[in-house]
Amino acid sequence: SQKIEQNSEALNIQEGKTATLTCNYTNYSPAYLQWYRQDPGRGPVFLLLIRENEKEKRKERLKVTFDTTLKQSLFHITASQPADSATYLCALEDRGSTLGRLYFGRGTQLTVWP
Amino acid sequence: GAGVSQSPSNKVTEKGKDVELRCDPISGHTALYWYRQSLGQGLEFLIYFQGNSAPDKSGLPSDRFSAERTGGSVSTLTIQRTQQEDSAVYLCASSLGQRLGGYTFGSGTRLTVV
Repeated sequence: SQKIEQNSEALNIQEGKTATLTCNYTNYSPAYLQWYRQDPGRGPVFLLLIRENEKEKRKERLKVTFDTTLKQSLFHITASQPADSATYLCALEDRGSTLGRLYFGRGTQLTVWP
Repeated sequence: GAGVSQSPSNKVTEKGKDVELRCDPISGHTALYWYRQSLGQGLEFLIYFQGNSAPDKSGLPSDRFSAERTGGSVSTLTIQRTQQEDSAVYLCASSLGQRLGGYTFGSGTRLTVV
């Protein structure tokens, strides 16, 4: 069966450290993978997109890697801040599905404490 | 508009009643998606519109669910004869319809069926 698993439901780290979140997928053939941030009571907010032929993408303190051999994406937040506390979702578009339709993981709730 | 607007933000309805949820996407976004998010669950795809047509309705849970989009803009999701298991946050998202970037989500409609 198809699965998207994010490493843990919750991750707690100290301010200033690097947060690393994991997204593993099974039985998908992703054209690309996206990461979103979701705060309580709000819709997800798009952060980064990485294509199947890309290994790494960066945006300010954020870095995403994509390994299609391991079927895994890693999402890093460097120099983390309490304001980074939120739930982070990974999502992918499968080549065999409707163009643009995304499949989401359940998310990892990140808490950054001072 | 500047973002994706959804209304109402909250809806409490009695079991068996019909409800209509509205989504106003970003102007110029040709693709529109409905997802729902239940407590502790990932985002579940419902339906996708490209313009006014719906090439993928495969996520609609039952024939009590329907959606339409008019003028390539506003969309309404209708749930007939609501059941308690329909309680969830219904999220709408829009995009340019190409693999250029992520979705822009609205803040959702929290539906509670009592």
